[in-house]
Amino acid sequence: EIVLTQSPGTLSLSPGERATLSCRASQTVSSSYLAWYQQRPGQAPSLLIYGASSRATGIPDRFSGSGSGTDFSLIISRLEPEDFAVYYCQQYGSSVTFGGGTKVEIK
Amino acid sequence: QLQLQESGPGLVKPSETLSLTCSVSGASIRSYFWSWIRQPPGKGLEWIGYIFYSGITDYNPSLRSRGTLSLDTSKNQVSLKLNSVTAADTAIYYCAKKAYCSSGSCKFFENWGQGTLVTVSS
Repeated sequence: EIVLTQSPGTLSLSPGERATLSCRASQTVSSSYLAWYQQRPGQAPSLLIYGASSRATGIPDRFSGSGSGTDFSLIISRLEPEDFAVYYCQQYGSSVTFGGGTKVEIK
Repeated sequence: QLQLQESGPGLVKPSETLSLTCSVSGASIRSYFWSWIRQPPGKGLEWIGYIFYSGITDYNPSLRSRGTLSLDTSKNQVSLKLNSVTAADTAIYYCAKKAYCSSGSCKFFENWGQGTLVTVSS
C-alpha cells in the first residue's frame, strides 16, 4: 500500500499569502496519478487537482499542483477567505489511498 | 446536475451489518463507476471500494472482505454493506462518482454526496 504523508499538519497564514502544501509518497506514484481535494468544515471533500497538475472544472487558477515520483505539492498563490480548509492528497496509481490532510487556518 | 444522497441507519450495533444506500439523480448509474469513502470523525479519508454496472468491483484490502457494493438500476441506487462492524467503523460515509476516462485509470472522485454519519455502538 502506498502511504501518503502530508506536511505540515497545520499551516497558519493570512489572506493574500501564498500556501505551499506537501504530499510525499512511500513509493513512486505511477504516471503522476495524484489528486488534491479541499474539505471545508461540515462539507464533503471537493476535487481540486488531478493528474498531479490538472485543475478540475471550475477551480480558480490560484490553485496549482506539481510534482512527480514521490514528491507532490499544492500551491495556493493568494489565499482567499474561502480557501481556509483542510486539504487531502490521494494517489490512484496503485489502488487508492489518501494522505492525512493539511489544515490551512487563518493566522 | 448530478446529485448523490446517502441514507441509512445512523446507529448500528457491534458485530452487525451496516447497510447504506446512495440515491443518484442527474445521471444513470449504468454510465459511471461509483465509490464509497469514509471518514472517522475528525480524521482523514479512507476509500472503501468502487463498482461498475458491468460487475466490475474493487475493494480496499484493509476491509478484509467485509464490504460489498451493489447497484439497483431500477432505483438508480448504489448500496454498501459492511459486516461484522466494530467501533472502528464509526464514520461519515460518502458516496462518490469516480471520474471517467477510457483507460479506466482515473480513480479520483469528481462528485460527492453530503455524507451520512454512522455510529457503531451498543
